[in-house]
Amino acid sequence: NAGVTQTPKFRVLKTGQSMTLLCAQDMNHEYMYWYRQDPGMGLRLIHYSVGEGTTAKGEVPDGYNVSRLKKQNFLLGLESAAPSQTSVYFCASSYIRMPRSYGYTFGSGTRLTVV
Amino acid sequence: ELKVEQNPLFLSMQEGKNYTIYCNYSTTSDRLYWYRQDPGKSLESLFVLLSNGAVKQEGRLMASLDTKARLSTLHITAAVHDLSATYFCAVDKETSGSRLTFGEGTQLTVNP
Repeated sequence: NAGVTQTPKFRVLKTGQSMTLLCAQDMNHEYMYWYRQDPGMGLRLIHYSVGEGTTAKGEVPDGYNVSRLKKQNFLLGLESAAPSQTSVYFCASSYIRMPRSYGYTFGSGTRLTVV
Repeated sequence: ELKVEQNPLFLSMQEGKNYTIYCNYSTTSDRLYWYRQDPGKSLESLFVLLSNGAVKQEGRLMASLDTKARLSTLHITAAVHDLSATYFCAVDKETSGSRLTFGEGTQLTVNP
């Protein structure tokens, strides 16, 4: 049981390049999320999905796009990378609100540097 | 807008001492989560608090929730070096559809 798997783990991009981060979960979770983590700011929600084919904006969605074509996968795209997008990106997944006690399962993170 | 604030943000303590990390949040919620993060690692779930007055304990860590005061505490008893990590609280707003809002994190260093 792999849980939540993120690829790649590290990446360096030049300003203006594009890339896609992949998140895959094998727990049959309905909800999936993308967060970014920056020093002193905790984790901030970029986009999330409540089911296959659905996506919604979170707190800091600008500059990112997402897709959830399959229930187990949630992709985060950067169309034109900027230095401000240098961050650690975490994917997470969870069941729907009931049962409420499970919370999130996190992936191992992707460390992205934009130069 | 839901705000979650932790204090202190940095905590350096000696082994064997006790201390408390505080997590305040700005809107009604009856679900609060505590996570631990080691440097360069992902987040690990510690506690899930689901009702007013809930108390959970695991080893030297004890978490509690007071929904009326909108406050959760993470108490550390007789700290050991292995507890050095960053601790996050996160709140699930009732109407948000299971979206967690995280505090800034408390970086704990336990010195020998």
